[in-house]
Amino acid sequence: QVQLQESGPGLVRPLQTLSLTCSVSGGSVISGNFYWNWIRLPAGKGLEWIGRIHSTGTTNYNPSVKGRLTISLDMSGNRLSLKLTSVTAADTAVYFCARDFSGWYFDYWGQGALVTVSS
Amino acid sequence: QPMLTQPPSVSGAPGQRVSVSCSGSSSNIGTHTVSWYQQVPGTAPRLLIFSNSQRASGVPDRFSGSKSGTSASLAIGGLQSEDEADFYCATWDGSLNEWVFGGGTKLTVL
Repeated sequence: QVQLQESGPGLVRPLQTLSLTCSVSGGSVISGNFYWNWIRLPAGKGLEWIGRIHSTGTTNYNPSVKGRLTISLDMSGNRLSLKLTSVTAADTAVYFCARDFSGWYFDYWGQGALVTVSS
Repeated sequence: QPMLTQPPSVSGAPGQRVSVSCSGSSSNIGTHTVSWYQQVPGTAPRLLIFSNSQRASGVPDRFSGSKSGTSASLAIGGLQSEDEADFYCATWDGSLNEWVFGGGTKLTVL
């Protein structure tokens, strides 16, 4: 059974960098035709996909955050990370990591990490 | 603005059947398969339906999905109080080269 667990600071100051990690167990981030995604849920709004990385390292980003977002894989730690620079209150959300199978569907999700951007 | 259009809310009495629509375009639903997710506030989304109509492991057969052209639909029969949640459709958009979600539909069991 694949399990994902997000971790990181719950509070980030405006214009600083938001950093989150997603630890993966029960499967390897570098094997199989899987993509590892970050999806966020702002309060009162719907799910927003912000980016993904393939097991080979190829990335795709949502244009709404492109230029500010970097997703990477830590093969030795079997985890993925997110770095979002120059954050504003609009980046306040619950951030989920999720695995997608060949770009077809998200089969495993983390429990989510609430990140608040505030001074 | 979400690329996929869902009604903000639906409701039904216990035992009734409801459906949730999801409208897209030729570059997303028209070309790629649709998946559906159930999200109870405070918990992670749960995969319900993949490849338009396939139920994920452990999902009761009260839940069914379909797709026609650039629209998809999730039907929930025999409503139960524990079905109350937000439901999202999702698919890949080949023109934008990104995943797109619907805005979400809140199901209320009366």
